Amino acid sequence: AQSVTQLDSQVPVFEEAPVELRCNYSSSVSVYLFWYVQYPNQGLQLLLKYLSGSTLVKGINGFEAEFNKSQTSFHLRKPSVHISDTAEYFCAVRPAAGNKLTFGGGTRVLVKP
Amino acid sequence: DVKVTQSSRYLVKRTGEKVFLECVQDMDHENMFWYRQDPGLGLRLIYFSYDVKMKEKGDIPEGYSVSREKKERFSLILESASTNQTSMYLCASSFLREHYEQYFGPGTRLTVT
Repeated sequence: AQSVTQLDSQVPVFEEAPVELRCNYSSSVSVYLFWYVQYPNQGLQLLLKYLSGSTLVKGINGFEAEFNKSQTSFHLRKPSVHISDTAEYFCAVRPAAGNKLTFGGGTRVLVKP
Repeated sequence: DVKVTQSSRYLVKRTGEKVFLECVQDMDHENMFWYRQDPGLGLRLIYFSYDVKMKEKGDIPEGYSVSREKKERFSLILESASTNQTSMYLCASSFLREHYEQYFGPGTRLTVT
């Protein structure tokens, strides 16, 4: 079984400041890793995913994440946030040989002017 | 563009009613999923289906059933709604192979009074 922990439930940040959202996972098998974003009153949208290869993954809207196997982490970063980045962000893992996603509890990002 | 639609954005039902939530996808995806989303708990998998008439229990199937009579449609059924089933329900779909991402619908916010 897999589990995902998002260490911060809420992250307030000023516009144009950097942000990092932390995600740690546990799994006894190889996993794929995902970050999804949910804008207010919408469904989830994929930001980025790590399947294999380079541990630094770039996604949409200027986000990137780094897979660290030894620390079982997949932290999400953006160097300069915009008001429009206000949303809830979910980290998720899936066994490489399976199709069930396990989600973290989510991190609400509030970008302040 | 992949489109996953859900029959209602908001739904209010009374305790004991039978409730149907419908989900339709237009990308010929084999997999379809139902999740519920609660604050601080992220998304939890209720049921999924990898083919017509096939279903598998997720992490929290109690109190729910599903139906998949056609490839594009996946229904979630609450046989006798209870107040603890008040939640946001999200449908998702994906291709069968593991490395394909899941695409989400906009969600149905169900309130059981």
